Amino acid sequence: EAAVTQSPRNKVTVTGGNVTLSCRQTNSHNYMYWYRQDTGHGLRLIHYSYGAGNLQIGDVPDGYKATRTTQEDFFLLLELASPSQTSLYFCASSDKLGEQYFGPGTRLTVL
Amino acid sequence: TQTVSQSDAHVTVFEGDSVELRCNYSYGGSIYLSWYIQHHGRGLQFLLKYYSGNPVVQGVNGFEAEFSKSDSSFHLRKASVHWSDSAVYFCAVSAAGYQNFYFGKGTSLTVIP
Repeated sequence: EAAVTQSPRNKVTVTGGNVTLSCRQTNSHNYMYWYRQDTGHGLRLIHYSYGAGNLQIGDVPDGYKATRTTQEDFFLLLELASPSQTSLYFCASSDKLGEQYFGPGTRLTVL
Repeated sequence: TQTVSQSDAHVTVFEGDSVELRCNYSYGGSIYLSWYIQHHGRGLQFLLKYYSGNPVVQGVNGFEAEFSKSDSSFHLRKASVHWSDSAVYFCAVSAAGYQNFYFGKGTSLTVIP
């Protein structure tokens, strides 16, 4: 079965803080994604990548950077965190059209 | 741009009942349609998808979905639900040839034992 892990699982930071969320997949999938999930909005795509060194902008990229260092690892960077970025963040991987495999999520709170 | 609409935010049924969770989409081209389940506190899990062929697709745990081009719909059904089916269900669409996914806002299903 597909395996996507995320760390940390929970994170609390202050406004203006620097946060890095990590994602690793062992599926050998080419595509990886970062989403945020908020009540009333469902899942919204922040960034995605189709391979090491590649980055594509999603639908809600403002305030977020991302980097794909290897096929397995995809990082989401919040360099100046704001309370509006308090959310549940999911990483996913995919190699078949129409199918994604998700990690367990990281709950981020920005005070 | 594709859009996905899940008209019911909450659905409550009793164990053993049948259920249908609705999903409507808008897009003019070829698309992949899929359903995901999210149990409380967990990540989303892929249930099933449709691209072409038989409009009724089978998924895990007795779930099936039916595609209708005329209605622009991809509704999820289960004939007899179990309390463990209580979760949030998301419909998603992606355009053929692209790896962007667009998700609906989800339907929370509560199954009363």
